[in-house]
Amino acid sequence: NAGVTQTPKFQVLKTGQSMTLQCAQDMNHEYMSWYRQDPGMGLRLIHYSVGAGITDQGEVPNGYNVSRSTTEDFPLRLLSAAPSQTSVYFCASSVMGWNEKLFFGSGTQLSVL
Amino acid sequence: DAKTTQPNSMESNEEEPVHLPCNHSTISGTDYIHWYRQLPSQGPEYVIHGLTSNVNNRMASLAIAEDRKSSTLILHRATLRDAAVYYCILRGQNTDKLIFGTGTRLQVFP
Repeated sequence: NAGVTQTPKFQVLKTGQSMTLQCAQDMNHEYMSWYRQDPGMGLRLIHYSVGAGITDQGEVPNGYNVSRSTTEDFPLRLLSAAPSQTSVYFCASSVMGWNEKLFFGSGTQLSVL
Repeated sequence: DAKTTQPNSMESNEEEPVHLPCNHSTISGTDYIHWYRQLPSQGPEYVIHGLTSNVNNRMASLAIAEDRKSSTLILHRATLRDAAVYYCILRGQNTDKLIFGTGTRLQVFP
């Protein structure tokens, strides 16, 4: 199993550009989520999904879109990048269940100039 | 959403036990207490979780208060590799929105 795979690992954007951060898992996990982590800060939840076709907002959803067309993939879209979106983005997944652990990807470091 | 409160930072010497506290006074009866840690420049990783009883695994122990309003992650002998940010979160019936917060930054000195 590859686990949770995030691509790209690094990305530099100009203000106003759009892009999609990819997240894929091969563990048949229903639950997937996106977090951002600013330097020296904790993790903040952006969006999450409890299954294909179902998404919901987290703590900081503005400026980001998600969709969940398959169980495996949960892409995060930045429609018009802003410098405030410079951050490290982590994707996580798990089996649905209150006693199930989250598996995290290795992160995408995004800089918006 | 049920929230957790942790100290911002803690320090320990190598090979000493470390007790990392977490308060969760609004915990519901179905909420599991989960702990994760994040090593420098890495994604978070699972450490341990529990519901009511104390739990042990190869990484750590979890002590849960009888009223479940607080818990403590115990590292029995801290090593330099345990230096990380430790997060306590709740996961249960009403907590698909998993909020991590700022965690506790543990420094381990040789």
